Amino acid sequence: AQKVTQAQTEISVVEKEDVTLDCVYETRDTTYYLFWYKQPPSGELVFLIRRNSFDEQNEISGRYSWNFQKSTSSFNFTITASQVVDSAVYFCALSASGGSYIPTFGRGTSLIVHP
Amino acid sequence: SAVISQKPSRDICQRGTSLTIQCQVDSQVTMMFWYRQQPGQSLTLIATANQGSEATYESGFVIDKFPISRPNLTFSTLTVSNMSPEDSSIYLCSVDNWANGYEQYFGPGTRLTVT
Repeated sequence: AQKVTQAQTEISVVEKEDVTLDCVYETRDTTYYLFWYKQPPSGELVFLIRRNSFDEQNEISGRYSWNFQKSTSSFNFTITASQVVDSAVYFCALSASGGSYIPTFGRGTSLIVHP
Repeated sequence: SAVISQKPSRDICQRGTSLTIQCQVDSQVTMMFWYRQQPGQSLTLIATANQGSEATYESGFVIDKFPISRPNLTFSTLTVSNMSPEDSSIYLCSVDNWANGYEQYFGPGTRLTVT
């Protein structure tokens, strides 16, 4: 069985603050993928990043960065200098060979960035 | 990446009626997925649809309530039958890309309100 936990239900910050969204996962598989998706108020899910289980290298893309640590089964997402347009629900997801690579989604973290 | 469209984008329906949601992909795909997202909740997989075979339903979802068609490699429909207010949700169609780590691409969703 696989599981994704996003303990933060809602985070509220002021523009330009840095914010980290936590994601903890569980799987017995050694081959798996981790994802982050953004769902703005319009409702459409936007893919942000994919990481495979063999690549623990952290990634930075503009103001976004991701910290993947297998030792703690975490795949955290940091937004630097947050902006109002970052306000959305963010979902972490896991797909693994044991689950036929069908993703399991966390409950999502609602990020509200105030001007 | 795949481009996915859904029809209708939203609808308000009466209790006891049925609604068919269409999902069109701009490329041929083997598997298509249908998700439900209830208000403020995460995504829940309803079923996986392969072309030429019966859909595979997740626990808690049955074919009589959510019949699915998959007539070809670019199209699928999901019907929500005998609707009740509890069926008010966003319904999302998606496909995956096994060549890209099973990254999922989502349609814009159908917002259904049942009164």
